Amino acid sequence: GESVGLHLPTLSVQEGDNSIINCAYSNSASDYFIWYKQESGKGPQFIIDIRSNMDKRQGQRVTVLLNKTVKHLSLQIAATQPGDSAVYFCAESRSYSSASKIIFGSGTRLSIRP
Amino acid sequence: KAGVTQTPRYLIKTRGQQVTLSCSPISGHRSVSWYQQTPGQGLQFLFEYFSETQRNKGNFPGRFSGRQFSNSRSEMNVSTLELGDSALYLCASSLEQQGETQYFGPGTRLLVL
Repeated sequence: GESVGLHLPTLSVQEGDNSIINCAYSNSASDYFIWYKQESGKGPQFIIDIRSNMDKRQGQRVTVLLNKTVKHLSLQIAATQPGDSAVYFCAESRSYSSASKIIFGSGTRLSIRP
Repeated sequence: KAGVTQTPRYLIKTRGQQVTLSCSPISGHRSVSWYQQTPGQGLQFLFEYFSETQRNKGNFPGRFSGRQFSNSRSEMNVSTLELGDSALYLCASSLEQQGETQYFGPGTRLLVL
């Protein structure tokens, strides 16, 4: 069945290091992917998205990589800061589909070591 | 632009009561979706509204209902509350009917005692 999962439920990184959060998806028809950040007590915040016609997209300190061959998505955070502590989850959908078709991953908790 | 707003932010109810949650989307966004988030189940889709019409509904019992007003603001109602309804209820808005990118509000944390 369709699924969006995360390889690691928790990730601990040293402040200043780069963080890599992974996500696997199983539906090859998905062509739009989003990463969200959810801090404690807050709603999910849109970070970055990527469409299937791209392999890489960069934002401010974040990069999303898409490998369609192995159905893998990753979020790279450069120079991780304490404010990056949060749960990160990916979402997959198909273009022009409704919100009911969006599949959200379960999330990875990122903690930062001083 | 102001983001998605939700009221109230926190709510405590007892079993059997009913509750109404409110959501105001980002200005100009016409589509509103509701989600239930729990530690065990993650984000679960409740409903999607566009132009005052419910477009889709998730696998939730009929106790969960909602509506959208002409100004795109939305409400959801849960009747006959059960302990298992304790969760963070998130509202998200998107620009068009086919709302790929959901912009979430802060959520309403509901505790049912």
